[in-house]
Amino acid sequence: EAQVTQNPRYLITVTGKKLTVTCSQNMNHEYMSWYRQDPGLGLRQIYYSMNVEVTDKGDVPEGYKVSRKEKRNFPLILESPSPNQTSLYFCASSLSRGATNEKLFFGSGTQLSVL
Amino acid sequence: AQSVSQHNHHVILSEAASLELGCNYSYGGTVNLFWYVQYPGQHLQLLLKYFSGDPLVKGIKGFEAEFIKSKFSFNLRKPSVQWSDTAEYFCAVGGFKTIFGAGTRLFVKA
Repeated sequence: EAQVTQNPRYLITVTGKKLTVTCSQNMNHEYMSWYRQDPGLGLRQIYYSMNVEVTDKGDVPEGYKVSRKEKRNFPLILESPSPNQTSLYFCASSLSRGATNEKLFFGSGTQLSVL
Repeated sequence: AQSVSQHNHHVILSEAASLELGCNYSYGGTVNLFWYVQYPGQHLQLLLKYFSGDPLVKGIKGFEAEFIKSKFSFNLRKPSVQWSDTAEYFCAVGGFKTIFGAGTRLFVKA
């Protein structure tokens, strides 16, 4: 089944403890992206990647890192999480490099709480 | 600056009522517009999209949207809503940095 898989689904952590949220897609998509969803703010893009080893900042990249060593995986890394990073995170992918008129396929989300 | 504005944050309707959710955008390049839906506890799914051709596009579950270039709008409509349409709806403009609106929460009373 074609899908974007995120793990974990729920995560509670403490300030400063490094964590990684994994994202994997099985559709051979070139484009992958991370969003955070906050009430009243919609989805805001954190980072995106147009291909292996090609990543770029979205609108809210501060405090996050990503890597794209393989086409299928795009992990999100929080080196030193802070409470303002408590949010619902979504990974998404699309077929084309440009992701202009291609729809995004979303993962099921990761609810992160930083205490 | 590129932006997407959704007019209503919360909408409450009774079943069989008609729905129209407003969306206005500001985008400098070729416009690719989307509506996504997020059912409670689920991830976002595509409802419909527009990138060229007929400005009236039809999507899944009886939804449609009309692109009006002169008004920079892409409003979502459905003639008769059902309880199962209770969800959050997001308008988005596509590109390398796909930009989403803040979302509209729709609650349909049975």
